Amino acid sequence: GENVEQHPSTLSVQEGDSAVIKCTYSDSASNYFPWYKQELGKGPQLIIDIRSNVGEKKDQRIAVTLNKTAKHFSLHITETQPEDSAVYFCAASKSGSARQLTFGSGTQLTVLP
Amino acid sequence: DAGVTQSPTHLIKTRGQQVTLRCSPKSGHDTVSWYQQALGQGPQFIFQYYEEEERQRGNFPDRFSGHQFPNYSSELNVNALLLGDSALYLCASSPAGTHYGYTFGSGTRLTVV
Repeated sequence: GENVEQHPSTLSVQEGDSAVIKCTYSDSASNYFPWYKQELGKGPQLIIDIRSNVGEKKDQRIAVTLNKTAKHFSLHITETQPEDSAVYFCAASKSGSARQLTFGSGTQLTVLP
Repeated sequence: DAGVTQSPTHLIKTRGQQVTLRCSPKSGHDTVSWYQQALGQGPQFIFQYYEEEERQRGNFPDRFSGHQFPNYSSELNVNALLLGDSALYLCASSPAGTHYGYTFGSGTRLTVV
């Protein structure tokens, strides 16, 4: 089955700096890669996603890049703010009736004021 | 517009007991998936329900079962609880006809003692 590895497990940045989180996946058939933000006591919230026919996608301060050949994708957050502090998860899925998500192990991002 | 709602929010059960968790999907969504999130880990897929049928199951034993009702709401049942079943149980719904853009609920925190 699919295996998703995520690095780093913890990341501290100064407010205003950029943060990058990287994930690799094992199943070359995977074609959908969402990123979720999870705050304490809440469920994961979709922040951005990318499909395999696109190499990069941007939404304001958040961007995701995908390298299908190397089977890795990354989340980039620019001009970080304290409210960006949370756990971030990458995930992967492939076409099929259920399109179940396989998640990475998460990155605890702390933005220091 | 209410998102995905789960009940109860917290639950404490004794080893060997049975538990039922409930989920109401977001309006307009007809597919419900259940995930288990152990502390410090990413969510793991349990199963998905569509049109009142289990469409796909992850690597979970038969002690985990579910149901979907005609109004698309769903239940997750766990029998013969083990200490290792302690986790956050997340329900996610997705729009009719597509599997992109899962919306997660805030989860039920189950503690088995």
